[in-house]
This record gives sequence, structure tokens and C-alpha cells, in this order.
Amino acid sequence: AQTVTQSQPEMSVQEAETVTLSCTYDTSESNYYLFWYKQPPSRQMILVIRQEAYKQQNATENRFSVNFQKAAKSFSLKISDSQLGDTAMYFCAFMIHGSSNTGKLIFGQGTTLQVKP
Amino acid sequence: ETGVTQSPTHLIKTRGQQVTLRCSSQSGHNTVSWYQQALGQGPQFIFQYYREEENGRGNFPPRFSGLQFPNYSSELNVNALELDDSALYLCASSPLGGVGTDTQYFGPGTRLTVL
Repeated sequence: AQTVTQSQPEMSVQEAETVTLSCTYDTSESNYYLFWYKQPPSRQMILVIRQEAYKQQNATENRFSVNFQKAAKSFSLKISDSQLGDTAMYFCAFMIHGSSNTGKLIFGQGTTLQVKP
Repeated sequence: ETGVTQSPTHLIKTRGQQVTLRCSSQSGHNTVSWYQQALGQGPQFIFQYYREEENGRGNFPPRFSGLQFPNYSSELNVNALELDDSALYLCASSPLGGVGTDTQYFGPGTRLTVL
């Protein structure tokens, strides 16, 4: 069975600083996708970034980047130049790719990030 | 381009009742997935619909059922409501059905309270 673990329930960062959110996962599959989603207090889940497991290059989206360590099964999210609008709960998620996929996203428990002015 | 929409926004039901939640997929998307999110937790996969058929299902009892319509919109039905069914129900659509491995885009959710 696949599992996703986010070991930091809550984090805070000063505006304009950098913060890293941790995520580890467990799977016996070799072909999968990893995602970070953001859920602000307004509750709409928004995609932040996506990483295909077969790609060695870490994904980046503007101020957001990941550190993907496949052997260690680690997928951390780095937010640079933090902004007040980054305040939200962040979820790490995993999806199998291929014929055994059922469209199921497996989520971690989430990390609540507060950006302080 | 219209995003994923869900209705209603909030709903209050009594234990034992039945409820129907609705979802319209994002334009160009033909696959819809449903998730249950308890307060302070990560979403849990209920099921996915592609081409009007259930493509995959999570660990939820049969009283959770769904439908997908030819226009790709979807309904989630829950019978015999229990107190533990109180949660935020999220719908997500994705553009490539069948393999289901494309990114899922979420709607704003329906907050269900069971009394």
C-alpha cells in the first residue's frame, strides 16, 4: 500500500524568507507522479507543482521548487520569497502511473504554513 | 475557461437521510474524481468516473455511489447518512480519462453536516 507522510503539522515563516516543507512516501511502484497542493482558508485546493518520477530534474514553478530524492522517497517543497498569500495548508500527494492506476490521489495529512508580516 | 464547480456550497442533513452532491467538470475534462476531507485531514479518495463508468474506488461502503453524465458532470450520492459522513466533499476533474494519470483540478467543495 502507498502512504504519504508529512511530519510537520505546522510551520511559520517571515514574509520574503524561504521555507521548506517535508514529505516522504512509501511505494513499491517505480512509475508515479507526485504533487503539492495548496488549500487556503477559503478551502479551494490549488495545484502548486507536479513531478513525474521518471524525471531526474526537479520541477520548478516560479517561487516554488521541489527537491525530489527518488531513492530516499522524499519530495520536499521549497517556497522562496514567501508572501502573505502563501498562508495555507499544503498537501503532498502521490498517484500511480500506468495500467494499475485508478485515478486515486493519496494525500498526506498536510502542513499548515503561516507567513508572518 | 470555466473551472470545476460544485453545488451546493453547504448542506445540513439528519442521520439516516440521503444526499446528492453535484459537480461540473472543467471545460475539456472528461474524468471526475470525488474525495472526502474530514476537518484538519487530507482528502480521502472515494471514486473516479470516466466515460460514465466507475474507473476506480477507494475504501468507502456501497452507500456511497455516483453517476457521470454525457456532459461529464457528476453526482455523488450518499444513503443512510451517518454522523461520521460530516466532511468537506471535493470534486476534481482531469483532462485525460482512461489512464487517469493526469493532474486533477479541484472544485471549491461542498460542506456536509450530518446532525
